[in-house]
Amino acid sequence: AQSVTQLDSHVSVSEGTPVLLRCNYSSSYSPSLFWYVQHPNKGLQLLLKYTSAATLVKGINGFEAEFKKSETSFHLTKPSAHMSDAAEYFCVVSPYGQNFVFGPGTRLSVLP
Amino acid sequence: NAGVTQTPKFQVLKTGQSMTLQCAQDMNHEYMSWYRQDPGMGLRLIHYSVGAGITDQGEVPNGYNVSRSTTEDFPLRLLSAAPSQTSVYFCASSYTGGEKLFFGSGTQLSVL
Repeated sequence: AQSVTQLDSHVSVSEGTPVLLRCNYSSSYSPSLFWYVQHPNKGLQLLLKYTSAATLVKGINGFEAEFKKSETSFHLTKPSAHMSDAAEYFCVVSPYGQNFVFGPGTRLSVLP
Repeated sequence: NAGVTQTPKFQVLKTGQSMTLQCAQDMNHEYMSWYRQDPGMGLRLIHYSVGAGITDQGEVPNGYNVSRSTTEDFPLRLLSAAPSQTSVYFCASSYTGGEKLFFGSGTQLSVL
């Protein structure tokens, strides 16, 4: 069975400071891992995807995530937060051919 | 290219009424799914399908029915609406599990 834990329900950072959103997962298979972003009253957009080619994955808008198998983690980072990054972020696990399991989400606030 | 088309965008029902949420994709995806999104709970899987004629239950299937007569369409039926079904519903499709999920724009449903 697969599950996802997002360790913080809410993260608040100042504009220009680093962002860290934490995700731990469990999976019976070698999974694909995703981060999706949802801006207020919008649909979901793919930020990045890990599929075992490289442990550091670069996504859109300056975000990246590092897959650490020993820690079963897939934390999302960005060096410098922008006001437009304020949104809900979801970590998702999905082994090939299996279902997608979403974490509960982390709400990111960016303060001026 | 339309992607995933989901209708309606908004719907208000009275308790006991039935309705169908429509979802269509034009990407020839085998995998289609329905999620509901409630505050603090991420996206929870209602039903999914891995191809025409094949459907299965997700995490929260009670009160919902689906069918998949074609590759393109995956409607979600509420049999007898209840206030607990007030939520935002998303349809999503993918080539298969482990690949990128494409989302519809969502349906905001209120059951009074």
